[in-house]
Amino acid sequence: EIVLTQSPATLSLSPGERATLSCRASQSVNNYLAWYQQKPGQAPRLLIYDASNRATGIPARFSGSGSGTDFTLTISSLEPEDFAVYYCQQRSNWPPLTFGGGTKVEIK
Amino acid sequence: QVQLVESGGGVVQPGRSLRLSCAASGFSFRNYDMHWVRQAPGKGLEWVAFIRSDGINKYHADSVKGRFTVSRDNSKNTLYLQMNSLRGDDTAVFYCAKDNGYNSLDYWGQGTLVTVSS
Repeated sequence: EIVLTQSPATLSLSPGERATLSCRASQSVNNYLAWYQQKPGQAPRLLIYDASNRATGIPARFSGSGSGTDFTLTISSLEPEDFAVYYCQQRSNWPPLTFGGGTKVEIK
Repeated sequence: QVQLVESGGGVVQPGRSLRLSCAASGFSFRNYDMHWVRQAPGKGLEWVAFIRSDGINKYHADSVKGRFTVSRDNSKNTLYLQMNSLRGDDTAVFYCAKDNGYNSLDYWGQGTLVTVSS
């Protein structure tokens, strides 16, 4: 099973700042890596698929990069609605499909 | 627009069974693979099961293998999760989600809460 490790667990930032979230895989997932945003009481929302492709309707301030085992989600300038929990997910060597433990982006 | 609506959750005693449903609309359900994902209270996301568009290929997480079974009825645009021998650690919000064909899940339902407790 491929394990995804997200860091940091919590990121404390102010609106307008840049957020950089990391996801590391225990073995290569090629570029089969996705990112989701989840707000309290809501279902996850797909942001990025196949490492760097923005999903439909996702603002350009969200970008994904990386390949192999190291991936990054960048939010170029945090908006108030971006404070949430972010998960990475892989489906390279599966089953199982696996998720990272999440990074909470909170208001500083 | 794409809609996924889960139902069937509730409070159930350990060892009992429950069947979840997910009604799909707004897309050609029969052409898409589907998943179940769960989230225990205050915890992260855990993939539970996958079913191919034609219902033939199915995968289940080790944590539910032998107890849960995913199925679908393409004539009714509905996904199911039959859950038997429920345990306390199955307590979670269960989401159904549509596979986008690019190794990720592009639409999710609002979730249905399953609480296993005596």
